[in-house]
Amino acid sequence: KNQVEQSPQSLIILEGKNCTLQCNYTVSPFSNLRWYKQDTGRGPVSLTIMTFSENTKSNGRYTATLDADTKQSSLHITASQLSDSASYICVVSLLNYGGSQGNLIFGKGTKLSVKP
Amino acid sequence: GAGVSQSPSNKVTEKGKDVELRCDPISGHTALYWYRQSLGQGLEFLIYFQGNSAPDKSGLPSDRFSAERTGGSVSTLTIQRTQQEDSAVYLCASSLQLTGNTIYFGEGSWLTVV
Repeated sequence: KNQVEQSPQSLIILEGKNCTLQCNYTVSPFSNLRWYKQDTGRGPVSLTIMTFSENTKSNGRYTATLDADTKQSSLHITASQLSDSASYICVVSLLNYGGSQGNLIFGKGTKLSVKP
Repeated sequence: GAGVSQSPSNKVTEKGKDVELRCDPISGHTALYWYRQSLGQGLEFLIYFQGNSAPDKSGLPSDRFSAERTGGSVSTLTIQRTQQEDSAVYLCASSLQLTGNTIYFGEGSWLTVV
């Protein structure tokens, strides 16, 4: 079964510190990997999309990496801000439509809390 | 509009009543998704529309759930005879095509069944 596992489940850091969120997947056939940020009570917002051939992509203070061989991705947040407090969701797209799972396989997210 | 629009944003309904949730995707987006997210949980796929193709309804949890997409644009998710376990946020998303493009989510419709 296609699965996306994220760790840690939750994380608390101090404002200004860096952090790294992990995503491991067993999805085939792989199309691309996305990271989303979901503020409490809001819809997810796209941060990055990476295809098989891309191993890093940045969006401001967010940098995502992808190792397609080990099927791992990470999201690194630099110089965290209070507004970074949110759930970060890793989503892997299937190359073909995946039936009852759809073509997007979602992780359960990492809940990040940034404290002053 | 500039983004995916969903309505109502919040809905409280009595158990057993029917509800309709509406999604206006971004203009020109051919792919439209419905997901359900229970409190503190990940997103659960419900249904997917792509262009004029027949939708894949295999993610719908029961026959009380149905969805339509009229004219390739607006979509309505209908839940009949609502149950308390239907309480969740229902998220709609759209994209230009099946793969490779950014998928934009709406802010969701928060459903509470009492």
